[in-house]
Amino acid sequence: DAKTTQPTSMDCAEGRAANLPCNHSTISGNEYVYWYRQIHSQGPQYIIHGLKNNETNEMASLIITEDRKSSTLILPHATLRDTAVYYCIVLNRDDKIIFGKGTRLHILP
Amino acid sequence: NAGVTQTPKFQVLKTGQSMTLQCAQDMNHNSMYWYRQDPGMGLRLIYYSASEGTTDKGEVPNGYNVSRLNKREFSLRLESAAPSQTSVYFCASMAARGPLGGYTFGSGTRLTVV
Repeated sequence: DAKTTQPTSMDCAEGRAANLPCNHSTISGNEYVYWYRQIHSQGPQYIIHGLKNNETNEMASLIITEDRKSSTLILPHATLRDTAVYYCIVLNRDDKIIFGKGTRLHILP
Repeated sequence: NAGVTQTPKFQVLKTGQSMTLQCAQDMNHNSMYWYRQDPGMGLRLIYYSASEGTTDKGEVPNGYNVSRLNKREFSLRLESAAPSQTSVYFCASMAARGPLGGYTFGSGTRLTVV
C-alpha cells in the first residue's frame, strides 16, 4: 500500500504559488520523500526529492516538517502547463515506487 | 535523446492472443520496472528488475511474465490477453538503488484487449 495521504484535488490560480500537502506519518528514518507528476496521458515526471532538509530545484521547492511526518511541494508561479496529477511517494527499502492516487491539480486561468 | 523507449505505442489484441511489450533504456540504469495504469487510476507495479538477471513480482503480477534480456532491455509478456488487461503500460528505469536516483519513465504503450 502507498504510505502517503494526499488531497484528491486542488485548484490554484495561474501565477500564484501552488502548495500541495502530503502526509507520511509512518515514514522511516532512512526513507526519502519523492514527488512526481503526470501530465495527461504521459509518463510520470520526476520533480524533486528530500530526506529531512528543505530542497529547491528549477521546478519546485520541497518543505519537510521537522518530524518528517508531512511535506509540502511548492510550485512558486503556477502556469497552465502545471495542470497534472502530483504524486507524493515514500521510497521503500527495496526501491519499488508504490503510487497512491495523487492530487489532481487544476491551474485556473 | 537518452531515455526510456517503449514499443509499440498502441496495440489492439483479441482475447487469448499473446504479445510482448518492449522496453529499452540507454542510460546504463540498473533497475527497471513495469507499471500499468487503468483509466482514471494511479499506477500499479507489475514486475521489476533490480539488476540484470533478476526479476521480482510487484503488486499485480498475475497474467504477466517478464524478461530482463540484458542491462538495457526489460520486456513484459502477456501470454493470453484478457479484457481486464486493457490499460496503459509504463516502463521505468532507475540509476541506483535508494535515494540517489529518480525514476525515468517511458511514454507508455496503450493496449486494448477486445
